[in-house]
Amino acid sequence: GAGVSQTPSNKVTEKGKYVELRCDPISGHTALYWYRQSLGQGPEFLIYFQGTGAADDSGLPNDRFFAVRPEGSVSTLKIQRTERGDSAVYLCASSLHAGISTDTQYFGPGTRLTVL
Amino acid sequence: QQPVQSPQAVILREGEDAVINCSSSKALYSVHWYRQKHGEAPVFLMILLKGGEQKGHEKISASFNEKKQQSSLYLTASQLSYSGTYFCGTYSGNTGKLIFGQGTTLQVKP
Repeated sequence: GAGVSQTPSNKVTEKGKYVELRCDPISGHTALYWYRQSLGQGPEFLIYFQGTGAADDSGLPNDRFFAVRPEGSVSTLKIQRTERGDSAVYLCASSLHAGISTDTQYFGPGTRLTVL
Repeated sequence: QQPVQSPQAVILREGEDAVINCSSSKALYSVHWYRQKHGEAPVFLMILLKGGEQKGHEKISASFNEKKQQSSLYLTASQLSYSGTYFCGTYSGNTGKLIFGQGTTLQVKP
């Protein structure tokens, strides 16, 4: 079946603008995760969803970042008043279950966000 | 707490072996290993579970030392396709939060 997909693959915006990044998980996966990866670093946890609800949003850096998953499938990461420091690759992953240390997370190709 | 990986970078010739280590200061439930090639998504390699056995996949295997809270990834008879950055991700509780190390870059030369 299809893997995790993310759109757009690249997004260039200006400082202060609003952006939305979309993630479409593997069908049937209840858990969805967002990570941010800066150059030369490992993925940094942002938030994860169990179904429609955010189970852990402790990684969101500040209140400019928000994510939703209204129907328990597709998720959107929203960033308000973008700053140059937000530039990174935003990765999405999904797993069959949530909150289980034995479950494999499958990653999408990421969205490269550049804030000018 | 982010796990620490060592070494940061490795350069090998085809056919040589390598070991990548991942250490945590917290008690671990599981360790997940991924490989990422430049510009691509991280690809899952294997999971090491607390109390579980050493896992293996062809010439890539791994171990998990619960007492030391450390996992090691073993790459034997390396191939050009093994080049990339290897990340370990750790769960220190059943929280769903996977914390990744900073990565080890492996370059295999002909």
